[in-house]
Amino acid sequence: EVQLLESGGGLVQPGGSLRLSCAASGLTFSSYAMNWVRQAPGKGLEWVATLSGSGGSTYYADSVKGRFTISRDNSKNTLYLQMSSLRGEDTAVYYCAKIPSNGDAGYWGQGTLVNVSS
Amino acid sequence: NFMLTQPHSVSESVGKTVTISCTPNSGNIASNYVHWYQQRPGSAPITVIFEDNQRPSGVPDRFSGSIDSSSNSASLTISGLMSEDEADYYCQSFGGSIWVFGGGTRLTVL
Repeated sequence: EVQLLESGGGLVQPGGSLRLSCAASGLTFSSYAMNWVRQAPGKGLEWVATLSGSGGSTYYADSVKGRFTISRDNSKNTLYLQMSSLRGEDTAVYYCAKIPSNGDAGYWGQGTLVNVSS
Repeated sequence: NFMLTQPHSVSESVGKTVTISCTPNSGNIASNYVHWYQQRPGSAPITVIFEDNQRPSGVPDRFSGSIDSSSNSASLTISGLMSEDEADYYCQSFGGSIWVFGGGTRLTVL
């Protein structure tokens, strides 16, 4: 059974930093591109960032480009999201997700809440 | 910027059939796969349809997906509606080198 378990969320002041982690199990982690998706309170889903399986290619939403960095440690089956210069509009539940591809339906974690507030 | 448009909300009675559309603001909907997610309140999204019309194991065959080239839109159809289908539904596709979600559709089962 595939499991994605996010951690690292919490309360942070505007301008602060936070690092999220996503521990994966039950899949060949290094074979897949992984993603962060967020959902602000009462809002829809917003794609944040994608990282290729090898870690060599990254893609970011314009709203986080230059402030967030996605990375992974394939030896630990873990995905990360380093967030800096945080703003109130970054307040959201952050999900780690493998988007469907090549006949695989994809997987989502349960999410971790980031609250940017003074 | 590439966007996917969904109806804000739909409602239908138990046992009936409902269809939720997903329309891009540019390009051909058939150029990239469309995925559909169900999200119940307080829960993470789950995939109900992937790669246009594929259903994950465990998802009832009451759920189906399709692409309509004439209207340039994707659709999620749920037949034999049950109260447990009440949720938010999101389409997703790839456009301009990034993943894009539709704004979501709130399904109310009467």
